[in-house]
Amino acid sequence: DAKTTQPPSMDCAEGRAANLPCNHSTISGNEYVYWYRQIHSQGPQYIIHGLKNNETNEMASLIITEDRKSSTLILPHATLRDTAVYYCIVREYSSASKIIFGSGTRLSIRP
Amino acid sequence: SAVISQKPSRDICQRGTSLTIQCQVDSQVTMMFWYRQQPGQSLTLIATANQGSEATYESGFVIDKFPISRPNLTFSTLTVSNMSPEDSSIYLCSVEKGDHGEQFFGPGTRLTVL
Repeated sequence: DAKTTQPPSMDCAEGRAANLPCNHSTISGNEYVYWYRQIHSQGPQYIIHGLKNNETNEMASLIITEDRKSSTLILPHATLRDTAVYYCIVREYSSASKIIFGSGTRLSIRP
Repeated sequence: SAVISQKPSRDICQRGTSLTIQCQVDSQVTMMFWYRQQPGQSLTLIATANQGSEATYESGFVIDKFPISRPNLTFSTLTVSNMSPEDSSIYLCSVEKGDHGEQFFGPGTRLTVL
């Protein structure tokens, strides 16, 4: 079973920041938080990951709470192309570990 | 990152037949993964395929139904055998690359079984 809980859907105005929450209260010390998104009819796309520090790349920022029980993915200036299902995943980084997808958050960007 | 292609991109098949899906990666990778995504659902892991060894199947998936080959470090195939309409799904392969196990996915194969 997936170890994360996400709201089933959210919407955001174009140009505004989209903040997608994720709860992972049972995360263990060696598990990372990964975010992927799946745009309609495409394969999932890796966005970002983190362990305990906040992370930022060209696509998004990841804010992880100090107790690591929740995190937020931030798309700073959402565009219509960001409309997708966003998956938050916790996973131990090892060759034997696997990704378990939950149901994700369907993000709609309105013009 | 990794560039992954799948063939075919889509197919419509008759009940009782089999379809082999190919996955090609632009670089050598140790682990490849096969997923199924049923209509309106999230992704479900079918199996993990390492080169030179038998694939490891997840609960609910068996080798007779979903045989997998992994002949080298850039290629894998998944066969959906003796198909029924319940096998209608998108089938995706993925590979693990990067410093922290990031996975990269192919575009998927959309299968419809009549």
